[in-house]
Amino acid sequence: SAVISQKPSRDICQRGTSLTIQCQVDSQVTMMFWYRQQPGQSLTLIATANQGSEATYESGFVIDKFPISRPNLTFSTLTVSNMSPEDSSIYLCSVEDPFSGKSYGYTFGSGTRLTVV
Amino acid sequence: KQEVTQIPAALSVPEGENLVLNCSFTDSAIYNLQWFRQDPGKGLTSLLLIQSSQREQTSGRLNASLDKSSGRSTLYIAASQPGDSATYLCAVDQGAQKLVFGQGTRLTINP
Repeated sequence: SAVISQKPSRDICQRGTSLTIQCQVDSQVTMMFWYRQQPGQSLTLIATANQGSEATYESGFVIDKFPISRPNLTFSTLTVSNMSPEDSSIYLCSVEDPFSGKSYGYTFGSGTRLTVV
Repeated sequence: KQEVTQIPAALSVPEGENLVLNCSFTDSAIYNLQWFRQDPGKGLTSLLLIQSSQREQTSGRLNASLDKSSGRSTLYIAASQPGDSATYLCAVDQGAQKLVFGQGTRLTINP
C-alpha cells in the first residue's frame, strides 16, 4: 500500500496566523483527500484534491479558509488560514490504494495535531 | 444520507479476553467497509478492508465480518493485549471516493 509522509506532526499556533500542512506520497495517485478530526469527534472530509485542477470542497468548507495545492501526483498541501481556537483539530491526508481494479482501501498520513491559542 | 454508528463508544476489558466491536450503517449500497485503528493524537492505521461482495476478512488476531443486507459489521479481537488499546473506527465507502466514518470505539485493555 501507499506510504504517506505528513508534516508537521504537531504545532501550536497563534490565532490569526496560517499553517501549511504537507503530504508526500511514495507513489503517484490521482486524488488526495484532506480530513479534519475535531476533539472527541470522528473524521470529516474537507476536500478532494486532483492534480491540475482546483480542489472540490465539502459543504461547510471554503477555499479561502482551507486553500489546497496539488502541484503533482505525489504531493499536496492544505493551509489553515486566519486560525481561531475552533480550528484546533487533527488534520489528516489520505489516498486510495487501487488494486486489481478494485479499491484496496484508503491509507492515511500520520496526522497533524494543531492547537490554536 | 449514510450514517455510521459504532457501539459501544468505550469498552474496557481485562487482558486475554476476546471482544467484539460493532458498526452499523443505514445505507446498504456500499462499495466496501474498512476498519482502522487510531492511537491518541495520531493518524489512522488500516486494519482490515472488506469488499461489498465479501463476508469476512482475517488478519492475525483480528476478524471482521460484513452483513451488507442488515447494515452491520463486527470486528472481533481475539486474546486481547494491552497494546490493542486504541480507538477503533469503521468507515464505509459509497463510491465517488467518499468515506463515511463512525464515531469510534475507545478500547482499553487492562493488564
